[in-house]
Amino acid sequence: EAQVTQNPRYLITVTGKKLTVTCSQNMNHEYMSWYRQDPGLGLRQIYYSMNVEVTDKGDVPEGYKVSRKEKRNFPLILESPSPNQTSLYFCASSLWARVWSDTQYFGPGTRLTVL
Amino acid sequence: AQSVTQLGSHVSVSEGALVLLRCNYSSSVPPYLFWYVQYPNQGLQLLLKYTSAATLVKGINGFEAEFKKSETSFHLTKPSAHMSDAAEYFCAVSAFGNEKLTFGTGTRLTIIP
Repeated sequence: EAQVTQNPRYLITVTGKKLTVTCSQNMNHEYMSWYRQDPGLGLRQIYYSMNVEVTDKGDVPEGYKVSRKEKRNFPLILESPSPNQTSLYFCASSLWARVWSDTQYFGPGTRLTVL
Repeated sequence: AQSVTQLGSHVSVSEGALVLLRCNYSSSVPPYLFWYVQYPNQGLQLLLKYTSAATLVKGINGFEAEFKKSETSFHLTKPSAHMSDAAEYFCAVSAFGNEKLTFGTGTRLTIIP
């Protein structure tokens, strides 16, 4: 089944404790991205990757890191999480970076709480 | 710069009634417009998209949207609401050459039995 998977689905952590949210897709997609969803703000892009070893900042990259060493994986790293990073996070992928024409497939989301 | 505005963060309709969710866009270049649906505890799923072909776009689950350039709108409609339509709906905009989708703030649709 074609899908985008994220782990963990739920995470409660404390301020400053490094964490990684994994994202994997099995559709051989070149383009992957991370969003955060907050009430009243919709989805905002954190980082995106047009292909392996190529990543770039989205609208809200502060406090996050990403890497793209393999085509299928695009982990999101929070080196020192803070309470303002409490949010619902989505990974997405599409065949190419033509978001205007290529359908983006979204993962199920990771709900992160930072205490 | 591109943006979308969704009017009404919450909309309630009776089962069988017309669903109308509003989206207005702002774009300096011809836009591509999208509607996504998010069911509880799930990721977003594409409902339909406008990419400069027909202005009336039909999507999944009986939804459709009409691109109106003069009104800068892309409202989502469905003639008869079902209970299964209860979800959050997001309008989004992009443009040729832009590797980014810009989302609206979402509209939560509640269906009243």
